Amino acid sequence: DVKVTQSSRYLVKRTGEKVFLECVQDMDHENMFWYRQDPGLGLRLIYFSYDVKMKEKGDIPEGYSVSREKKERFSLILESASTNQTSMYLCASSSPGTADNSPLHFGNGTRLTVT
Amino acid sequence: QKEVEQDPGPLSVPEGAIVSLNCTYSNSAFQYFMWYRQYSRKGPELLMYTYSSGNKEDGRFTAQVDKSSKYISLFIRDSQPSDSATYLCAMRWGAGANNLFFGTGTRLTVIP
Repeated sequence: DVKVTQSSRYLVKRTGEKVFLECVQDMDHENMFWYRQDPGLGLRLIYFSYDVKMKEKGDIPEGYSVSREKKERFSLILESASTNQTSMYLCASSSPGTADNSPLHFGNGTRLTVT
Repeated sequence: QKEVEQDPGPLSVPEGAIVSLNCTYSNSAFQYFMWYRQYSRKGPELLMYTYSSGNKEDGRFTAQVDKSSKYISLFIRDSQPSDSATYLCAMRWGAGANNLFFGTGTRLTVIP
């Protein structure tokens, strides 16, 4: 079974702090993604990566950055956390393609609260 | 206008009922249609995948795509309490990560 592991289940941070969310996958997937999930807004793509050292902006990259130094690990960084970044953050991985043998595999999420 | 519209519910049904979950979309270029299921405090997982129009059946679940109406549905027959979850539709037109769009999800509760 594919496993996508997010290092923290719950995080509480203060406004202005630098926050690191870590994600590791064990299936040698090329693609990795960071989404945030908010009620009424659904899943929104923050950043994604097709390969080590590569990163691409998603729909809402402002206030975030990412790092992919190793194929299995994709980190999301909030440079200076703000209260509007309080959300559920979901990491996902996939192999390339569009068929049903390349679905997104999600981690269980990190619920971040910024106070 | 959102790319994908989905009624958020919540939807409560008695055990054994037939459940119909629906999404509409605006972009006629979408070709790949998916349903993800998300249990409470878990990440979404792929439940059904359909390419282009038509029906696809997997056990108690049937996914239906009507491209002429830009409408997709997920039917659950003989619903069980274990089906209680949030169901998200998703669709895309190609392999790129930024052309995958999710609905907001419908929360379903099946009452024993």
